[in-house]
Amino acid sequence: AQSVTQPDIHITVSEGASLELRCNYSYGATPYLFWYVQSPGQGLQLLLKYFSGDTLVQGIKGFEAEFKRSQSSFNLRKPSVHWSDAAEYFCAVGAGYGGSQGNLIFGKGTKLSVKP
Amino acid sequence: DAGVIQSPRHEVTEMGQEVTLRCKPISGHNSLFWYRQTMMRGLELLIYFNNNVPIDDSGMPEDRFSAKMPNASFSTLKIQPSEPRDSAVYFCASSLSRVEQFFGPGTRLTVL
Repeated sequence: AQSVTQPDIHITVSEGASLELRCNYSYGATPYLFWYVQSPGQGLQLLLKYFSGDTLVQGIKGFEAEFKRSQSSFNLRKPSVHWSDAAEYFCAVGAGYGGSQGNLIFGKGTKLSVKP
Repeated sequence: DAGVIQSPRHEVTEMGQEVTLRCKPISGHNSLFWYRQTMMRGLELLIYFNNNVPIDDSGMPEDRFSAKMPNASFSTLKIQPSEPRDSAVYFCASSLSRVEQFFGPGTRLTVL
């Protein structure tokens, strides 16, 4: 069965510091991978996605993620965090795109706090 | 585009009452998803539709939950009767060809 693990429930970084949020997935085929961000009281906004091709993908707000098949990982990175990045981040894998399924399997999320 | 629209944004009701949540997907999108988010279980897919047809409702908790999509621009999620354990944030999302999903702002449901 497909699954997504985000090992870190809560991370605190200082403003201006670099950030890496971890995501590991379990999926039998080539996965479609996503990172979403959720600000308090808001819906989820897509940061970036990986379907195929270049394993380093760029997203909005200066975020990037790298797909590593050998490690079943899709970690999210940002070189310099801003206070406005404080939010909850969700990694997701797309189950069965192109086939009969279309749902996303989400990780439990990582809450990011930013220290001034 | 206005994005995915959900109503109401907040709903407080008493146990046993019927609750109806509404969703208007992005125009032109052909897939619609209902999710529930709780602290304990995270984000869970309840049901999704493709071209107005329910494809997978295996995530619907029990018979008290039902969802409909009478046309391409409207869907409802109904809980009857509601219970305190149904308290959660319910999200609707839509997509084109089941790829990238766009989420609405959610409905925060509190059942007393």
